[in-house]
Amino acid sequence: QVQLQESGPGLVKPSETLSLTCTVSGDSIRSFYWSWIRQPPGRTLEWIGYSSFSGTSNYNPSLASRVAISLDTSKNQFTLRLTSLTSADTAVYYCARGKASPVSWGQGTLVTVSS
Amino acid sequence: DIQMTQSPSSLSASIGDRVTITCQASQDILTSLNWHQHKPGKAPRLLIYGASNLETGVPSRFSGSGSGTDFTFTISSLQPEDVATYYCQQSDNLPPTFGGGTKVEIK
Repeated sequence: QVQLQESGPGLVKPSETLSLTCTVSGDSIRSFYWSWIRQPPGRTLEWIGYSSFSGTSNYNPSLASRVAISLDTSKNQFTLRLTSLTSADTAVYYCARGKASPVSWGQGTLVTVSS
Repeated sequence: DIQMTQSPSSLSASIGDRVTITCQASQDILTSLNWHQHKPGKAPRLLIYGASNLETGVPSRFSGSGSGTDFTFTISSLQPEDVATYYCQQSDNLPPTFGGGTKVEIK
């Protein structure tokens, strides 16, 4: 059974770049699609984007200019990079397996953007 | 983006009650509708995909129905472990979008 675990900084400053890693066990990231989803405080879930080992990726148009998802097959991890952070990026960030339908999720990690 | 309108936003019911949540899409999404369960501090869990298909290992008291723009999620007999927030999510069009969530509590 696949398990996913997010890791990264809990606090980042405005204008900086966020880098979050998802470590996958029980599945190879060479298969399937891998996604990031977030939930700002008091708001619903927002899909960020997905990527695959084949190089296929797709991002939410609202974030596309600032986001990139990359895969590291040697560590069986995938990474979210989000640039030019503002307070609006404060959220719980989840990694998931799936393209448009998240099948397995991580527990999430809270990221706060504040000076 | 397709807007997903979910109701109610919260409900309180007794153990054994039948619980129903509705979800409406802003345009036809055929049966490309998933339901996820999220308990505080835990990973969200996919319960139903394709509007009515139960994910492996999910108890049969959970069910889903609907097509087009109108969908229903039902817990046939509410159990204590069902306390959670439930989200509908469309997968027909990118970007995938989620409903606002329904918080289910025990009365």
